[in-house]
Amino acid sequence: RKEVEQDPGPFNVPEGATVAFNCTYSNSASQSFFWYRQDCRKEPKLLMSVYSSGNEDGRFTAQLNRASQYISLLIRDSKLSDSATYLCGTGGSYIPTFGRGTSLIVHP
Amino acid sequence: SQTIHQWPATLVQPVGSPLSLECTVEGTSNPNLYWYRQAAGRGLQLLFYSVGIGQISSEVPQNLSASRPQDRQFILSSKKLLLSDSGFYLCAWSAQGGTVAAFFGQGTRLTVV
Repeated sequence: RKEVEQDPGPFNVPEGATVAFNCTYSNSASQSFFWYRQDCRKEPKLLMSVYSSGNEDGRFTAQLNRASQYISLLIRDSKLSDSATYLCGTGGSYIPTFGRGTSLIVHP
Repeated sequence: SQTIHQWPATLVQPVGSPLSLECTVEGTSNPNLYWYRQAAGRGLQLLFYSVGIGQISSEVPQNLSASRPQDRQFILSSKKLLLSDSGFYLCAWSAQGGTVAAFFGQGTRLTVV
């Protein structure tokens, strides 16, 4: 079983839509959680950290559910520029671990 | 602020040739350093990590090796490349402790022909 699992998608949504991604993790000792954005043929870039209390950054909201061992990312009012692959990652014990990513395509 | 530099950005190498990819971090001391490989349409596979100078942990047996000759320098090498070594190689760093985010270099797209 992979440590971090994501639905690869693609999620194909119109501009203005709200879209949510989930990510499950198997290591209950994981202490930190993150969402990254990766554009085609580029490196992953940190989008936001995920805190136990949940956190919001503009149109993006991240949530953590420790009991069910999943994290989520909600994107409201999707823009064309949101099209990318979104990776979730966990940290702890020195080794960041990542899911395979969820592809998002926002169309006009 | 911290920055990470990785080069070259792209590389085309023949089978059997050697490889050396270099990564340096600025603006921090004693970082954790990582080499990942991302095959087309696949996730990030951890190859090596280091928590200090001269300390290397290998996650996947293969014909690659890594070295950390200085605190903020991480090198990925191979003596003889295989076709299967093609991929997108990413260097990353995180602060000590392992509970903070990792930050990636621009990546090296390696094609072995």
